[in-house]
Amino acid sequence: QKEVEQDPGPLSVPEGAIVSLNCTYSNSAFQYFMWYRQYSRKGPELLMYTYSSGNKEDGRFTAQVDKSSKYISLFIRDSQPSDSATYLCAMTPPAGTASKLTFGTGTRLQVTL
Amino acid sequence: DAGVIQSPRHEVTEMGQEVTLRCKPISGHDYLFWYRQTMMRGLELLIYFNNNVPIDDSGMPEDRFSAKMPNASFSTLKIQPSEPRDSAVYFCASSRGRLYEQYFGPGTRLTVT
Repeated sequence: QKEVEQDPGPLSVPEGAIVSLNCTYSNSAFQYFMWYRQYSRKGPELLMYTYSSGNKEDGRFTAQVDKSSKYISLFIRDSQPSDSATYLCAMTPPAGTASKLTFGTGTRLQVTL
Repeated sequence: DAGVIQSPRHEVTEMGQEVTLRCKPISGHDYLFWYRQTMMRGLELLIYFNNNVPIDDSGMPEDRFSAKMPNASFSTLKIQPSEPRDSAVYFCASSRGRLYEQYFGPGTRLTVT
């Protein structure tokens, strides 16, 4: 079983829809939770990071962490064609352990006109 | 400030040849990471450096892979000899002391024929 599970998609939604992207994880000791956006043939770009359970909002994006369920989500409101990309979740290990991120495999999102 | 710079952006080589990928991290960043991304395996960490010192190379697939960081502004990833299964996109990322805030370069798309 992978430490982080993420549905690869593709997920296709119409412009203006609310998008929900999710990851589940098995290691309860993960500390920080990140979402990266990767456009085709580009490097991943950090969108948001959160530390504790709860919500964090940045414009049209909201990151949600539920540590009790080991579940994280990224919501995109009023989705735009420019949001079409692959979204990767990532997590940091506990402090004092190896400094590696654990990535999900990514969900490909397509927002259609 | 310029982001992470990688060169070349594309590399096509024949099996058995030596390949050298280059990375210039963001000035002031003390961590440098080399990743490989394929459709099958997603984003994998190969090796990372802290203050120019290799910390963890457990992700390096074989002895054919080597990485160096002679100074804070430059790192190389070398594959010798290259094989078709090394074909992938190789990313370099850097961060300033915060594992959860990594900045990725544009990647080098390597094709080994």
